[in-house]
Amino acid sequence: NAGVMQNPRHLVRRRGQEARLRCSPMKGHSHVYWYRQLPEEGLKFMVYLQKENIIDESGMPKERFSAEFPKEGPSILRIQQVVRGDSAAYFCASSPTGTGNTIYFGEGSWLTVV
Amino acid sequence: AQTVTQSQPEMSVQEAETVTLSCTYDTSESDYYLFWYKQPPSRQMILVIRQEAYKQQNATENRFSVNFQKAAKSFSLKISDSQLGDAAMYFCAYSIPGGGADGLTFGKGTHLIIQP
Repeated sequence: NAGVMQNPRHLVRRRGQEARLRCSPMKGHSHVYWYRQLPEEGLKFMVYLQKENIIDESGMPKERFSAEFPKEGPSILRIQQVVRGDSAAYFCASSPTGTGNTIYFGEGSWLTVV
Repeated sequence: AQTVTQSQPEMSVQEAETVTLSCTYDTSESDYYLFWYKQPPSRQMILVIRQEAYKQQNATENRFSVNFQKAAKSFSLKISDSQLGDAAMYFCAYSIPGGGADGLTFGKGTHLIIQP
């Protein structure tokens, strides 16, 4: 049973470009979470999704950031017009349900904006 | 809002000795979950141990155990017989049932150094 798969592991973008980060949850998991980790910081919740639904996006910046989890395919975190402050590690996690189950993390995607 | 505080930015321990990492949290909920995650240099987040607040018994996983003091809102991690592979950032985290509403709330982490 493969774990949570994230790609790309490392992504470099110039300011103003778009970044797309992909996450395939563990088999049988229908709940996906995205977290951001800035240097020297813990992880901060961004968004929680189920298939085709955004359940909670209270941690996501209002502009330039969006997330989706389509019926088929991976969850996508999209950052438009990236700025240097977007440079961070973005972690995806999944769980079988949202009711207090342990969530399992992917290995993260490192975005560097130059 | 829930907060998680790790007051030790860095801890150092001799190999084979025991170390305790501190974590306190603030919540008005009575039912919740607490976790310790390990982040080694590879940066992957690895679950170390989990505790349900309604359980009085402290969780244990091999060399890792917790001291859960619900009234004091304290959740410390004890690592026995420390090994070089234990060197990592350790994050304490909190979640409520239906935990997706806010996901996990993390502390800022404790950097654990193992001295050979």
